[in-house]
Amino acid sequence: KAGVTQTPRYLIKTRGQQVTLSCSPISGHRSVSWYQQTPGQGLQFLFEYFSETQRNKGNFPGRFSGRQFSNSRSEMNVSTLELGDSALYLCASRTGTRSTGELFFGEGSRLTVL
Amino acid sequence: AQSVTQLDSQVPVFEEAPVELRCNYSSSVSVYLFWYVQYPNQGLQLLLKYLSGSTLVESINGFEAEFNKSQTSFHLRKPSVHISDTAEYFCAVSPTGNQFYFGTGTSLTVIP
Repeated sequence: KAGVTQTPRYLIKTRGQQVTLSCSPISGHRSVSWYQQTPGQGLQFLFEYFSETQRNKGNFPGRFSGRQFSNSRSEMNVSTLELGDSALYLCASRTGTRSTGELFFGEGSRLTVL
Repeated sequence: AQSVTQLDSQVPVFEEAPVELRCNYSSSVSVYLFWYVQYPNQGLQLLLKYLSGSTLVESINGFEAEFNKSQTSFHLRKPSVHISDTAEYFCAVSPTGNQFYFGTGTSLTVIP
């Protein structure tokens, strides 16, 4: 069974640009969550999508947005990039239907903002 | 909101020595507890989890963690570490099974 796939793995942008990251969950998983990982801050929850609907949202500005498609693939977008947006963005999937399901993570997309 | 505290940001330990990585959480309700490990340039992998039942849970590579409800802790231990255990370890709590809260991580460095 294929794992969670994130693309691209690495990218470099400049301030003010926007970026779109993609995540393909494990087959059969309907829940996709996004996290921002920075040194010293750990993992900060961005949002979770389940069956194309945003189910939970973290405390990030509106520049951060996401969506989920009917095949459960998800994208997140960051507009008007700032230097502080440089981070590893992790996507995680789970079945979403049972409350005991753990998260399965992708390898992440490392974003550098110059 | 939940909070998860990993008291040690960095833990150096000699090879074959024991190690304990500490995790405390704030919750007065039942929670699900997890330890994840992150190797360099990789995502997080589940190491072990506590959902219910026996308070001592074990992983396949020799780690174990004990759920202590009175102290709201879920410390991770290994009696003898290997070089390959060098990684970042994250404790996570899920009060409802829907949302997860992560600690800031503990960097374990095993010294030859």
